Amino acid sequence: AQTVTQSQPEMSVQEAETVTLSCTYDTSENNYYLFWYKQPPSRQMILVIRQEAYKQQNATENRFSVNFQKAAKSFSLKISDSQLGDTAMYFCAFMPIIQGAQKLVFGQGTRLTINP
Amino acid sequence: AAGVIQSPRHLIKEKRETATLKCYPIPRHDTVYWYQQGPGQDPQFLISFYEKMQSDKGSIPDRFSAQQFSDYHSELNMSSLELGDSALYFCASSSGVVAGSDTQYFGPGTRLTVL
Repeated sequence: AQTVTQSQPEMSVQEAETVTLSCTYDTSENNYYLFWYKQPPSRQMILVIRQEAYKQQNATENRFSVNFQKAAKSFSLKISDSQLGDTAMYFCAFMPIIQGAQKLVFGQGTRLTINP
Repeated sequence: AAGVIQSPRHLIKEKRETATLKCYPIPRHDTVYWYQQGPGQDPQFLISFYEKMQSDKGSIPDRFSAQQFSDYHSELNMSSLELGDSALYFCASSSGVVAGSDTQYFGPGTRLTVL
């Protein structure tokens, strides 16, 4: 069974600062995806970024980038030039690439607050 | 772009009653997933369907059942409701269950309150 661990329950930074959220996972699978989802106060689950395990290059989406270390089973999210709208709960998620079993396994979440 | 639609958005039921949650996936998405998020918790996988067939099952109580219809919408039926069933229920859709298939996109959720 796969597990995902987010060791930072809460983080808080000033607007325009850079912040890194940590995530580690445990799996015996070799092919999988990793995701970061954002859940603002509206409770909507919004995809932030996706990383394919077979790709060595770290994914980037505008101000959001990841540091994917496959051997260490680590997948951190860096938010640059943080904005007030980035305030949300952030969930790291793992998805094995197995036909018929592509459920998401989530970490416990990190509550991020961006202060003005 | 069209998103996943869930109805109703809010539902209040009494204990032992029945509830039906509906999910309409993104057009041309053929896979639907249901997740349950309790207060202060991460989402937990319940069940998924690909091409109208159950593809995977998680920690879904026997009191719950679900199906996917010919138009790919899905319904989650919950009977004998308990206080502990109070949660946010998400539906997500993706474009297939074949290895390497697409990302799951979430609907806005249905907030179920059991009194």
